[in-house]
Amino acid sequence: KAGVTQTPRYLIKTRGQQVTLSCSPISGHRSVSWYQQTPGQGLQFLFEYFSETQRNKGNFPGRFSGRQFSNSRSEMNVSTLELGDSALYLCASKRDVTDTQYFGPGTRLTVL
Amino acid sequence: AQSVTQLDSQVPVFEEAPVELRCNYSSSVSVYLFWYVQYPNQGLQLLLKYLSGSTLVKGINGFEAEFNKSQTSFHLRKPSVHISDTAEYFCAVSENNAGNMLTFGGGTRLMVKP
Repeated sequence: KAGVTQTPRYLIKTRGQQVTLSCSPISGHRSVSWYQQTPGQGLQFLFEYFSETQRNKGNFPGRFSGRQFSNSRSEMNVSTLELGDSALYLCASKRDVTDTQYFGPGTRLTVL
Repeated sequence: AQSVTQLDSQVPVFEEAPVELRCNYSSSVSVYLFWYVQYPNQGLQLLLKYLSGSTLVKGINGFEAEFNKSQTSFHLRKPSVHISDTAEYFCAVSENNAGNMLTFGGGTRLMVKP
């Protein structure tokens, strides 16, 4: 059974640009969550989607947004990139609310 | 609000020695606790979780953790470590047993030396 897939694995952008990251959950999983990992702030929850609806949102500015499609695949978008957005962005999926969360390998975003 | 403190940023230990990685949490409501491991250039893998019941939880790779409500701790232990256990370990808390909206500690880098 394939795990959580994130694309691309590495990305370099410049300040002011926008970026879209993609996450394909494990087959049959309907919940997708996103986390940001930085050396300074550690791991922080961004948002969670379930059946195309955002269920929870972390404390991040509106430049960070996401969505989930009918096939459960999810994208997150960051607009007007700042140097501080450089991070490893992790996606996690689960079958339903009581299931264990499985993490993908992450997308490493570097903002220059 | 909830928070998690991992008291040691790095723990060096020799192979086959026992290890304890410390985790303390604070929360105003009932909590559910998790330990994850992250190997270099990889995502997080769940080691174990405490939702309810027995306070001693056994996980994968020979790890176990004990939930102590009075001390608000959830320390991770392994009686004998291997070189392959070298990784970053994260303690996390959630206010629901689904493990949504995890709040993570700062991580502990376990360095196993031969």
